[in-house]
Amino acid sequence: QQQVKQSPQSLIVQKGGISIINCAYENTAFDYFPWYQQFPGKGPALLIAIRPDVSEKKEGRFTISFNKSAKQFSLHIMDSQPGDSATYFCAAADDSNYQLIWGAGTKLIIKP
Amino acid sequence: DAEITQSPRHKITETGRQVTLACHQTWNHNNMFWYRQDLGHGLRLIHYSYGVQDTNKGEVSDGYSVSRSNTEDLPLTLESAASSQTSVYFCASSEDAGGRTGELFFGEGSRLTVL
Repeated sequence: QQQVKQSPQSLIVQKGGISIINCAYENTAFDYFPWYQQFPGKGPALLIAIRPDVSEKKEGRFTISFNKSAKQFSLHIMDSQPGDSATYFCAAADDSNYQLIWGAGTKLIIKP
Repeated sequence: DAEITQSPRHKITETGRQVTLACHQTWNHNNMFWYRQDLGHGLRLIHYSYGVQDTNKGEVSDGYSVSRSNTEDLPLTLESAASSQTSVYFCASSEDAGGRTGELFFGEGSRLTVL
């Protein structure tokens, strides 16, 4: 019940296309859903996060869509650029312990 | 600028040796975490601390220990290194955001190879 399942494992998208990464969870106590971006040789960095009181959050080209009833959330990257090539992690937490449960990661490659 | 630094960045050791990975943050964050990252597993929590003298076990704590004697540092010790502990280790910190999960700030990682 503590798992966060992330798909796909890897994704190749043409420059200018839309990249979509999906995550699913089971624990209904989760109330914080961040996405982290990691470049090779670096630590992950927060990209965007959402709480269940909204169904969508947009920051520039990055959008989180959240479906509470389906217990799913996804990251959409519009107009994908080669600089977006990185590994993306979804995660979930409940505020009782500040601990994030992480998805396995998606390696995104944007082809020029 | 505030930051979180890990050392060493790369370490090769032998089975059975004790290894300590350092983590130092200047954010003045109460919460600190150690993760290991392995292909296909994402990030797995080893140990965490919510403040000085506080330490807690994560999901993969066997063979690891931490101590928190001040706000800035959370060293991770492998008591007797095993080949299964070959991994990339990340330290992270977050502020006490009034009961809400906050942004994690990560170091750049320490790559450990146990031969």
